[in-house]
Amino acid sequence: GENVEQHPSTLSVQEGDSAVIKCTYSDSASNYFPWYKQELGKRPQLIIDIRSNVGEKKDQRIAVTLNKTAKHFSLHITETQPEDSAVYFCAAESGYALNFGKGTSLLVTP
Amino acid sequence: SAVISQKPSRDICQRGTSLTIQCQVDSQVTMMFWYRQQPGQSLTLIATANQGSEATYESGFVIDKFPISRPNLTFSTLTVSNMSPEDSSIYLCSVVGGLNEQFFGPGTRLTVL
Repeated sequence: GENVEQHPSTLSVQEGDSAVIKCTYSDSASNYFPWYKQELGKRPQLIIDIRSNVGEKKDQRIAVTLNKTAKHFSLHITETQPEDSAVYFCAAESGYALNFGKGTSLLVTP
Repeated sequence: SAVISQKPSRDICQRGTSLTIQCQVDSQVTMMFWYRQQPGQSLTLIATANQGSEATYESGFVIDKFPISRPNLTFSTLTVSNMSPEDSSIYLCSVVGGLNEQFFGPGTRLTVL
């Protein structure tokens, strides 16, 4: 089955700096790669996704890149703010169901 | 995106008992899933809830322990049977939207004593 690895497990940045989270996947048939943000006590919230027919997608301060050949994808957050502090999960689709990475706990300090 | 609700939002149960969790969506959806999130961990897929037929379970999850019903395209239930403290988790349903995005319900926080 699909195996998704996510790094780092924790990340601490100063407000205004950039944050990068990286994931690799194993199933070359996967074509959909979403990213979720989960704040404490809340449900995972879809923040951005990318499909295999594009290499990069941006939405304001958030961008995701995908390298299908190398089977890895990354989340980039620029100009980080304290409200970006949360756990971020990457995922790879497998027959509509999602296989999740272990998560990255991001702390943005003022 | 669809509005998803779950009941109960949380519960504390005694070992050996069972709890049924409900997931209601405000529109018809084809694909619905159940996930488990153990404390401080990632999300693990339990099963795909199939409308009108038996659920499809992932490795490590069995129907006797986690029976699932999906009577129509807007509703599903997950039962956690014969509970033990190891079943203490957040249980989340999810649905697939029109562009294959997946949205989660608010979750049910289960504590087993």
